[in-house]
Amino acid sequence: DTEVTQTPKHLVMGMTNKKSLKCEQHMGHRAMYWYKQKAKKPPELMFVYSYEKLSINESVPSRFSPECPNSSLLNLHLHALQPEDSALYLCASSQGGLVWRSAEAFFGQGTRLTVV
Amino acid sequence: KQEVTQIPAALSVPEGENLVLNCSFTDSAIYNLQWFRQDPGKGLTSLLLIQSSQREQTSGRLNASLDKSSGRSTLYIAASQPGDSATYLCAVYVARKLIWGLGTSLAVNP
Repeated sequence: DTEVTQTPKHLVMGMTNKKSLKCEQHMGHRAMYWYKQKAKKPPELMFVYSYEKLSINESVPSRFSPECPNSSLLNLHLHALQPEDSALYLCASSQGGLVWRSAEAFFGQGTRLTVV
Repeated sequence: KQEVTQIPAALSVPEGENLVLNCSFTDSAIYNLQWFRQDPGKGLTSLLLIQSSQREQTSGRLNASLDKSSGRSTLYIAASQPGDSATYLCAVYVARKLIWGLGTSLAVNP
């Protein structure tokens, strides 16, 4: 099973709302990622978790708050977003630890977020 | 700073053609290179992963090569089909990050 599952598939939220995106993998991967992708652009890295600890934050605004409650789950909490935050949010995972450098990355199908 | 370039940006071919997509990178110090496919509005599907010590990988009608010294990778698609229509992205893995090209948008016409 090489599946990364993201929910919901679509989300519309107001600028004052609080919502969460969820990501789940059961491949035993210890590295998990959040990416943001705008139309016709490549994915932009937001956060990297390694062994449930945040290891990279690409200077993402605090209105995005990641959480890794266990080795299979990754959440992205959203609060007070702006219309320009509308995008496809992608979760990915790969093996961590000693094989970190050679590991294949697997992506979910994404959450299409619209901020109104 | 690592930069990844993909040529061409768009490609339209008739069904059945063999085709080559190109990816170049500026710094040869990479851990691996990965090719992905993305359908409109969808997530990314991993096609092939080439480790830095490897020269090529094959999966079905796809073959990817890697020449680290020249900073190049090619994705060869044999006997293209309309279902191959998608955007193809290459990414190199450096310092715990994937550095991405802008992609090649492929249309295979019946």
